[in-house]
Amino acid sequence: EIVMTQSPATLSVSPGERATLSCRASQSVSSNLAWYQQKPGQAPRLLIYGASTRATGIPARFSGSGSGTEFTLTISSLQSEDFAVYYCQQYNNWPPGDTFGQGTKLEIK
Amino acid sequence: QVQLQESGPGLVKPSETLSLTCAVSGYSISSGYYWGWIRQPPGKGLEWIGSIYHSGSTYYNPSLKSRVTISVDTSKNQFSLKLSSVTAADTAVYYCARHLRPYSSSPFGYWGQGTLVTVSS
Repeated sequence: EIVMTQSPATLSVSPGERATLSCRASQSVSSNLAWYQQKPGQAPRLLIYGASTRATGIPARFSGSGSGTEFTLTISSLQSEDFAVYYCQQYNNWPPGDTFGQGTKLEIK
Repeated sequence: QVQLQESGPGLVKPSETLSLTCAVSGYSISSGYYWGWIRQPPGKGLEWIGSIYHSGSTYYNPSLKSRVTISVDTSKNQFSLKLSSVTAADTAVYYCARHLRPYSSSPFGYWGQGTLVTVSS
């Protein structure tokens, strides 16, 4: 079973600055990695799939990179609406056990 | 635009069976794609429960497989979740979702708003 580990658990960043979130897989997932954003009381929203492809309607300030076991989500210039919890998900090994990472909370500094 | 809406009891007693339905609009389930259930305990992360194809083919999370049944009703354009022998640990917001691509090994591109199910006597 592949284990997804996100770091840090909480990230404090000021609006306008860059945020970098990490996700590590316990074994290679190729580029089969997605990122989701979840705001309080809302369902998760798909941001990135295929490690680096933005989903429909996602602003260009969101970018994903990586392959194999190391992945990064970068938000280039934080807007107020970007403060949320972010989850990574592997879908290379299917059916999975724990397919999602534990999440990174992005909070205002 | 694909829309999903969960429905079902918000309170279930311990040892009983949790039953939820996901109504789909804007897309015919019989046209394809996998459809899934994901849950989130209060204040915690996401857990995939299982996914189903319109033909009835299913994949389940091994940790829940012995208690989970997911079924599809194409005539009503909906799919359902049954989780048996529930305990307080099954208290969570339950989401239904559609996979982004027409195969199960793809992320979830469309989500319902979620429904809170509490397990308590």
